[in-house]
Formats: sequence, C-alpha cells, structure tokens
Amino acid sequence: SQQGEEDPQALSIQEGENATMNCSYKTSINNLQWYRQNSGRGLVHLILIRSNEREKHSGRLRVTLDTSKKSSSLLITASRAADTASYFCATDADQAGTALIFGKGTTLSVSS
Amino acid sequence: EAEVAQSPRYKITEKSQAVAFWCDPISGHATLYWYRQILGQGPELLVQFQDESVVDDSQLPKDRFSAERLKGVDSTLKIQPAELGDSAMYLCASSLGGGGDTGELFFGEGSRLTVL
Repeated sequence: SQQGEEDPQALSIQEGENATMNCSYKTSINNLQWYRQNSGRGLVHLILIRSNEREKHSGRLRVTLDTSKKSSSLLITASRAADTASYFCATDADQAGTALIFGKGTTLSVSS
Repeated sequence: EAEVAQSPRYKITEKSQAVAFWCDPISGHATLYWYRQILGQGPELLVQFQDESVVDDSQLPKDRFSAERLKGVDSTLKIQPAELGDSAMYLCASSLGGGGDTGELFFGEGSRLTVL
C-alpha cells in the first residue's frame, strides 16, 4: 500500500525555472523524506524533515512540512537539465524502526 | 564511497522458472529492505530485516517469494515460480537501523526482472 500521493504526476519546465512538487500522506509520522530516481537507477536520498520541523533547506532544495494538513512540498530552485528525474516522498509510520512507505512520485523534466 | 551492491542488474526469465537476487548492504548497516517497483510507480516494501531477523514481511507473497539474511549481512530474494506480473525492478536498501526513527535509506541500483 502507498502512504503518500505526489502532485503533480508529471512536471515539465525550462532550465532556470523553479519546480514545486507536493506530497500528501495519511497517518502520523516521525519524519518525511524525499528521494530522487534517475531513469532505471536506484533511489538517492535528498532530504529528511522531522515532524517537529516546518522547513528545511539543502542547497537548491527547500522542503516544507505541514503536519496539520499531512502534506509536504519540495521546491527545486533554478532547475537544471540534470534535475530531470522522478521524485518520491516517503514517510515512516509513527513507530520506531518501521520501513518507509513511498508515494507514486512526480516525474520532472527540465529542458534546456 | 560505500554502496549497496545488487546482482544481477538485469534478469530475463520465462514464467514458472526460479529467479534469485542478491544484495550486499553497506558495512555496518543493521537494517536491510527489499522493495519492488513496478514501472511508473513508487517502491513497495516486500520485506524488512533487522540483522538476521525478519521485522516485516506482511507484503511478501509467501507462496512464491522467500527472503533470507542468514548471517545478518548479505541477503537473497527468491521467486519460484516466476509469474508475468512479477516483472519489475527489485530494489535493495540498507540503513543504520538500531531503533529510533527510520533514517536515510541507501539504495542499490536495482535488479530489473522481465518475465516472459
């Protein structure tokens, strides 16, 4: 079963533009993570935000978390062609040591 | 940089045949996961190990799938017999584990299975 739902399913932008992806989830969480996957490859961790945090930055990435709405957003600023990939949010259940549950992902295409 | 190793990278098999995937996690990582990812969807958990013990295999189709991590290090996922619907990417991931919140997962490159 999938906990998160990303929106939009697909996003096409030009280089230099910002890309925003949203994630909604269903149950209480300890933390929410975002991962990136290039076509045919494994997933790579981007950023983790804890349930008591509201915003986190890492380079060109900005993540927000609203636990009251059970939603998160990932903003990629000044997109590059190399950012073309699928992006997934993942949440744990509100129990220690549980596996991450992934959403269906947003496919981002950045054209030069 | 330490990586999660998986093999084979690609596997083509006929239905009803047996297939096995191998994963070697990052050294020192106590928790190991097998996920299945159907094209166009997110990864779905098949089984989670803590050291050599199964923590969660509730989504593992046990009539045909088996997984083991005998010495708490590397792991094997087996499918017998394979069915057409098993065509997917099988991803192995590991994390430090040890209790507390689920932290960052480190993924291998995956094993792409095609069942004909």
